[in-house]
Amino acid sequence: QQQVKQSPQSLIVQKGGISIINCAYENTAFDYFPWYQQFPGKGPALLIAIRPDVSEKKEGRFTISFNKSAKQFSLHIMDSQPGDSATYFCAATGETSGSRLTFGEGTQLTVNP
Amino acid sequence: KAGVTQTPRYLIKTRGQQVTLSCSPISGHRSVSWYQQTPGQGLQFLFEYFSETQRNKGNFPGRFSGRQFSNSRSEMNVSTLELGDSALYLCASSRRTGGGEKLFFGSGTQLSVL
Repeated sequence: QQQVKQSPQSLIVQKGGISIINCAYENTAFDYFPWYQQFPGKGPALLIAIRPDVSEKKEGRFTISFNKSAKQFSLHIMDSQPGDSATYFCAATGETSGSRLTFGEGTQLTVNP
Repeated sequence: KAGVTQTPRYLIKTRGQQVTLSCSPISGHRSVSWYQQTPGQGLQFLFEYFSETQRNKGNFPGRFSGRQFSNSRSEMNVSTLELGDSALYLCASSRRTGGGEKLFFGSGTQLSVL
């Protein structure tokens, strides 16, 4: 019940295209859903996050869509750029979990020029 | 403002040895958490410390331990190293503990156990 399932494992997109990564969770106690971006040799960096009281959050080219009833959320990267090539992790946590994040398996995104 | 600093960056040990990894959080951050990252298991939570107290612990054996000092710096220790302990160990800090706090990760310590 603690797992977060992420798909696809890898994704190749052309420059200017839309990248979509999906995640699903089971634990209804989760109430905070961040996305992290990780470049080789670096730690993950927070990209964008959402709480279940909204269905969508947009920051620049990055949008999270959230479906509470389906317990699914997704990251959309509009106008994908080669510099977006990285590994993306969805995560989830609840108020009582402290800083304990449950991460998805990760998606290796490659944006071809 | 300096980010989260982890030392050493790389470490090579042999089975049976023990190792200590260090993490200096962002100034003003009082929560430090540790994660293990491997290709097979992904990112897994080890433990969290807040104000020198362990607040949360993941599903790792007792060989993995940690502590936090009064200046919020943290160390984690792995005793009796096993080959499977080879991983990138990441430290993250935040101002407070609690779901929704923004975590800032360091670049990690890459541990190789031979």
